[in-house]
Amino acid sequence: SQELEQSPQSLIVQEGKNLTINCTSSKTLYGLYWYKQKYGEGLIFLMMLQKGGEEKSHEKITAKLDEKKQQSSLHITASQPSHAGIYLCGADIGNQGGKLIFGQGTELSVKP
Amino acid sequence: DGGITQSPKYLFRKEGQNVTLSCEQNLNHDAMYWYRQDPGQGLRLIYYSQIVNDFQKGDIAEGYSVSREKKESFPLTVTSAQKNPTAFYLCASSIMGQGTEAFFGQGTRLTVV
Repeated sequence: SQELEQSPQSLIVQEGKNLTINCTSSKTLYGLYWYKQKYGEGLIFLMMLQKGGEEKSHEKITAKLDEKKQQSSLHITASQPSHAGIYLCGADIGNQGGKLIFGQGTELSVKP
Repeated sequence: DGGITQSPKYLFRKEGQNVTLSCEQNLNHDAMYWYRQDPGQGLRLIYYSQIVNDFQKGDIAEGYSVSREKKESFPLTVTSAQKNPTAFYLCASSIMGQGTEAFFGQGTRLTVV
């Protein structure tokens, strides 16, 4: 079973278009992380959200954590080829931290 | 510079052989993790360790073993009992406590030949 569900699993968009990736948990999330990965490489940290209703932005990428802290969305505005890659949401579900799990990832392709 | 290092980057193994993947960090992190990544399946947790000399099974621990004799090192052994070991393996570390970013190594691609 997957404790973190991401959707969609893959996404192809035209350059300049906006897109949204969702991450849903059946449990309350105490820390939600977004990472980006180029295939065959390590993960690059994008953002971390902790508080219900929290929203953070970095360049053209915005992430939100809903009030109930069970769903997060990652939104990219005016997508560029450099945004292509695998986006992963992660959450620490250990009682005192130290158990980090991930969703199955969303593979994003941006067509010029 | 502080960071987390995995070696080797590429590894080939014959069927029936055990192989050990290295993961070292100099970030003074208490928690360390091993993940396996297959196409379309994201990262699946193999083992994790929150403190030296202690570790816990993740979701797919069968056919793998780990040790945590030193804070900075968390090697993963892929045993011959692992039926489908060809995959991309990622190691990570973090400070204990929720709300802390995990740092990742660059991964090891293991291929069984």
